[in-house]
Amino acid sequence: QKEVEQNSGPLSVPEGAIASLNCTYSDRGSQSFFWYRQYSGKSPELIMFIYSNGDKEDGRFTAQLNKASQYVSLLIRDSQPSDSATYLCAVRTSSGSARQLTFGSGTQLTVLP
Amino acid sequence: GAGVSQSPSNKVTEKGKDVELRCDPISGHTALYWYRQSLGQGLEFLIYFQGNSAPDKSGLPSDRFSAERTGGSVSTLTIQRTQQEDSAVYLCASSRDGNYEQYFGPGTRLTVT
Repeated sequence: QKEVEQNSGPLSVPEGAIASLNCTYSDRGSQSFFWYRQYSGKSPELIMFIYSNGDKEDGRFTAQLNKASQYVSLLIRDSQPSDSATYLCAVRTSSGSARQLTFGSGTQLTVLP
Repeated sequence: GAGVSQSPSNKVTEKGKDVELRCDPISGHTALYWYRQSLGQGLEFLIYFQGNSAPDKSGLPSDRFSAERTGGSVSTLTIQRTQQEDSAVYLCASSRDGNYEQYFGPGTRLTVT
């Protein structure tokens, strides 16, 4: 069983719509949750992080965390063609000396003009 | 401010040769991480440094892989006797310390022929 699961997509939404990206994780000890955006041929870029249950908003992005359901999501409002990328969900379980991120396989998002 | 830098950006080497990859973290970041990303395996953790110490080396795939960090800053990942399965993008990330968000460098694309 993969530790961090994402729908691989591809997910297509029209310009101006809300894109919803989902992620589930298996380790209940996970404490920190991150969303990275990765354009083709580029490295991951941190766009959101969330540590507490609930919603966290930053501009057009909202991260939602539900630790009881082991679920984290990313909403992108007013989607733009420039949002077309692969979105990686990452989870950190701080156990002992471990501080690594475990990544999902990513969801490919295409925003259609 | 300056982000994480890595060199070289691309490296082509022959099977059996040794390679060194360099990472220069964001100034003031005490934690440094190496990951690699390949098509078949996604983004995998290799090693974590806090200062000059490596409390978590659990992701290094074999004893051909080693890493060091000096002066609490620059890190070098060394791969000895490279194999074709070592071909991947090697990504370095840094964070304020092990409990904060990680920011990635541009990566080194390694191709073993």
